[in-house]
Amino acid sequence: QKEVEQNSGPLSVPEGAIASLNCTYSDRGSQSFFWYRQYSGKSPELIMFIYSNGDKEDGRFTAQLNKASQYVSLLIRDSQPSDSATYLCAVEREYGNKLVFGAGTILRVKS
Amino acid sequence: DTEVTQTPKHLVMGMTNKKSLKCEQHMGHRAMYWYKQKAKKPPELMFVYSYEKLSINESVPSRFSPECPNSSLLNLHLHALQPEDSALYLCASSEGLLNGEQYFGPGTRLTVT
Repeated sequence: QKEVEQNSGPLSVPEGAIASLNCTYSDRGSQSFFWYRQYSGKSPELIMFIYSNGDKEDGRFTAQLNKASQYVSLLIRDSQPSDSATYLCAVEREYGNKLVFGAGTILRVKS
Repeated sequence: DTEVTQTPKHLVMGMTNKKSLKCEQHMGHRAMYWYKQKAKKPPELMFVYSYEKLSINESVPSRFSPECPNSSLLNLHLHALQPEDSALYLCASSEGLLNGEQYFGPGTRLTVT
């Protein structure tokens, strides 16, 4: 089992729809969770982080965390073609001082 | 200023060459990272410096040699690389160690011939 698992996609949604990106992790002691966006040929960019169970909203983005289920998700409302990118889920290990990335989900927003 | 800069943007080197990658940040961050990213794969951690001291070496081959001259600068010295080392090399920084809120530079695209 991989430490951080994501569906590779591509996930295709129409413009204006809600895109739902999911991530599961195996280290039950992990406390910090991050979503990075990476456009093709560019470097990753931090877009959301969440530390507590529940929802955290920032503009069109909502991160959701359920530690009991070891599940993190990212919702993108009113998806735009400019949101088309690879979304990387990253989890901070409880021990080892390391950020572990999932393989990423490719999102395609069609206009 | 929330920028991490990296030079060069592109580098082509032979297997017998010696070259260096450079990274700079002026956000006052105390942790700096080197990652390697192959196509369609996530970033893979190589080294972590915290307060200018090497904190983590992810069993990286000795042909990669990191250096942190001061809190703002991070170098990666390359020697006798192999073609399979061709990748995007990313530098990142964060306020402190164990902080996943990392800011990435644009990367250096390295090709080893």
